[in-house]
Amino acid sequence: GAGVSQSPRYKVAKRGQDVALRCDPISGHVSLFWYQQALGQGPEFLTYFQNEAQLDKSGLPSDRFFAERPEGSVSTLKIQRTQQEDSAVYLCASSSQRGGAKTEAFFGQGTRLTVV
Amino acid sequence: DQQVKQNSPSLSVQEGRISILNCDYTNSMFDYFLWYKKYPAEGPTFLISISSIKDKNEDGRFTVFLNKSAKHLSLHIVPSQPGDSAVYFCAASGTGANSKLTFGKGITLSVRP
Repeated sequence: GAGVSQSPRYKVAKRGQDVALRCDPISGHVSLFWYQQALGQGPEFLTYFQNEAQLDKSGLPSDRFFAERPEGSVSTLKIQRTQQEDSAVYLCASSSQRGGAKTEAFFGQGTRLTVV
Repeated sequence: DQQVKQNSPSLSVQEGRISILNCDYTNSMFDYFLWYKKYPAEGPTFLISISSIKDKNEDGRFTVFLNKSAKHLSLHIVPSQPGDSAVYFCAASGTGANSKLTFGKGITLSVRP
């Protein structure tokens, strides 16, 4: 399809395990965002890429969280030594505009991470 | 400290009537506002947006109103349809180096047939 694709859709991890979540943005989209949505809450910003450059990682909750977009297309969000509070839906969004340009972002279906 | 607030967690309206979803914000640096709609097990989908230089934007059955002095915006859906039943998120972006969104908690709209 032509939309934002995320995999896996669901992930169950044992506490302490490392996980990697993948995002395939819409082809040609310059901007890519990761958000975390806890149950009953709105999505919260984690990090932002413009092409391959990670311009803002102010929302990453700890140094256990790491994101990359090495070729400016596919992105991976990695969480090391997962903890129960990491359980959430992780949403990826992409946008055709750069930086502060105002336009809508298109979201993927998300990856639901459950840490047991 | 919630910068975007959707104080009503749910709203139920009769099919054919108007749905009014409210949103308040505290950060005066926000200059672009969006509404997203979310069905269960899906990601949010963009619905409508408004720039701070406008006070109204209309797209079919959906109209967003912005009152900058009150830091308040609202989404009007008229007429409401059962397929509109979903969670609606209000979101805002500011003048920073990226257009990251700050979301409210969402409001669950139920349209009764």
